[in-house]
Amino acid sequence: GAGVSQSPSNKVTEKGKDVELRCDPISGHTALYWYRQSLGQGLEFLIYFQGNSAPDKSGLPSDRFSAERTGGSVSTLTIQRTQQEDSAVYLCASSLRGGGATNEQFFGPGTRLTVL
Amino acid sequence: RKEVEQDPGPFNVPEGATVAFNCTYSNSASQSFFWYRQDCRKEPKLLMSVYSSGNEDGRFTAQLNRASQYISLLIRDSKLSDSATYLCVVTPQGGGNKLTFGTGTQLKVEL
Repeated sequence: GAGVSQSPSNKVTEKGKDVELRCDPISGHTALYWYRQSLGQGLEFLIYFQGNSAPDKSGLPSDRFSAERTGGSVSTLTIQRTQQEDSAVYLCASSLRGGGATNEQFFGPGTRLTVL
Repeated sequence: RKEVEQDPGPFNVPEGATVAFNCTYSNSASQSFFWYRQDCRKEPKLLMSVYSSGNEDGRFTAQLNRASQYISLLIRDSKLSDSATYLCVVTPQGGGNKLTFGTGTQLKVEL
């Protein structure tokens, strides 16, 4: 079946512009996660959605970052007034449900964001 | 101190060798433990979960030592296709909804 998909695969933008990154989770997965991976750094948790519960936003680095998940499916990560340090690969993952060692997270291919 | 620490490598080993990776985590209340594999410019994929009793999947063996807050991965009879970055991952107490990743250990298996 179809895995997690993300778009665009690459995004180059100028400093100060806003960007939107999209994630389509695996059908039927109730949990959705955003991470980012900067060069030489480990993956960093950003935000987590579980069903209709309030999202866990504890990993968002600043108020320029926000995310939505509409209808319990597609999610959009928005970065306003982008800065060069926002350059990274943004990875989305989904799992059948949140929590528990057996709820494997499946990752999408990522969006490589470059801020000039 | 980072929450999850790994030797970045690279580990260059000949085909057929046995190689071991170690990982330490700082939060003693961590709940769940995993090894993920990430190929160059690809997304991470779950390799195996790690249990207190230890677990084995073919050529791969994972061990957890809660007292020492230490996780290991052993790869026997390494193949060229094992070349990748191996990520040590833990989750916080209370559930597995937020993965905390180490920076990864790079393995290169050579002829």
